[in-house]
Amino acid sequence: DTAVSQTPKYLVTQMGNDKSIKCEQNLGHDTMYWYKQDSKKFLKIMFSYNNKELIINETVPNRFSPKSPDKAHLNLHINSLELGDSAVYFCASSQEGGNEQFFGPGTRLTVL
Amino acid sequence: GEDVEQSLFLSVREGDSSVINCTYTDSSSTYLYWYKQEPGAGLQLLTYIFSNMDMKQDQRLTVLLNKKDKHLSLRIADTQTGDSAIYFCAEARTGGFKTIFGAGTRLFVKA
Repeated sequence: DTAVSQTPKYLVTQMGNDKSIKCEQNLGHDTMYWYKQDSKKFLKIMFSYNNKELIINETVPNRFSPKSPDKAHLNLHINSLELGDSAVYFCASSQEGGNEQFFGPGTRLTVL
Repeated sequence: GEDVEQSLFLSVREGDSSVINCTYTDSSSTYLYWYKQEPGAGLQLLTYIFSNMDMKQDQRLTVLLNKKDKHLSLRIADTQTGDSAIYFCAEARTGGFKTIFGAGTRLFVKA
């Protein structure tokens, strides 16, 4: 019954590695988002997708590549991980932009 | 947060009212939101207000919007220990596809 799910919940990896985080929503929404929350709890939008099309790319390094195979999924692939990438990454979805966003439980990424 | 500002901490006694304030800068924002984040969890929408409204009440929650001063507040009546969380003010821009969050106000409720 989970509305927005993310896997994995925790990810610990070495600098320089490549990793992916998956997100799925079963709400029938057409818009999905990725956010990064740092250790001070600042939450910043990274990407917005609407009907599988990229709408917002908020000056995120090219090492981050989102992929939306269908409207229910928005995955995030990160190349050449750096220490500064350590954060909690939240996926969210909404019906169109501007409406209530439903957040996933977050993926805590730790880069050593 | 980028252009959305909130105080970082608020401490109240159980049963008192809590008022969390927020200022934003984009006068074209059509939606303004309050989200709640409990420890180890994602954000949940508490309430929202359209930019053409001054006030919205929803049970214990009252949202006031002063569009001229770009000031938004959230009042929680009869605050309970279960209300302890981080409260984020947010505004929707770019057709609603870009939501800018404040830094979050940590509400501590003392029994």
